[in-house]
Amino acid sequence: ELKVEQNPLFLSMQEGKNYTIYCNYSTTSDRLYWYRQDPGKSLESLFVLLSNGAVKQEGRLMASLDTKARLSTLHITAAVHDLSATYFCAVDIPGGTSYGKLTFGQGTILTVHP
Amino acid sequence: NAGVTQTPKFRVLKTGQSMTLLCAQDMNHEYMYWYRQDPGMGLRLIHYSVGEGTTAKGEVPDGYNVSRLKKQNFLLGLESAAPSQTSVYFCASKGVSYNEQFFGPGTRLTVL
Repeated sequence: ELKVEQNPLFLSMQEGKNYTIYCNYSTTSDRLYWYRQDPGKSLESLFVLLSNGAVKQEGRLMASLDTKARLSTLHITAAVHDLSATYFCAVDIPGGTSYGKLTFGQGTILTVHP
Repeated sequence: NAGVTQTPKFRVLKTGQSMTLLCAQDMNHEYMYWYRQDPGMGLRLIHYSVGEGTTAKGEVPDGYNVSRLKKQNFLLGLESAAPSQTSVYFCASKGVSYNEQFFGPGTRLTVL
């Protein structure tokens, strides 16, 4: 059974600081997704990582994937208040019978303070 | 394109009542999914469908039934609602050739 664990689950940051959210998963996969969710809203896709060593950046967020370590990181650079949200990672097991089913981490609630 | 839509947005049920949640997508996607979101647990897969007329169980299927009579619609039914089914329900769809799932806006269900 695939398990996906994020840490930390709660993150309180000061504006301007850097931090990293970690996503560990238990089964071999090279397909990992990061989503953002604002309170009361749906999930917004941030990054799709599809190979070992994949790195993607968008603004102050950068995501990477190490399939050998079964680890993805979401790095936040110089945090701003607008980044306050819940961040989820999700893993998809490749293969014909997977049908794209996602297993999600618990989510990291990020709060950025002035 | 509307993408993925869900009906209703909010609903309050009494224990034992039944209801159906409707998910519709206009992207001609083959795969559709129902998830539930509970605090501290991320999203968990209830049921999914890989094509019209097909459905399969996910991680937490008990107490729910689904149907996909048309490719664009995926219905989630609660036969006899229980307080443990109080949750936010998200529908998603994905094309066979795509990597990403597209999520609907969610339905907030409270069972008293």
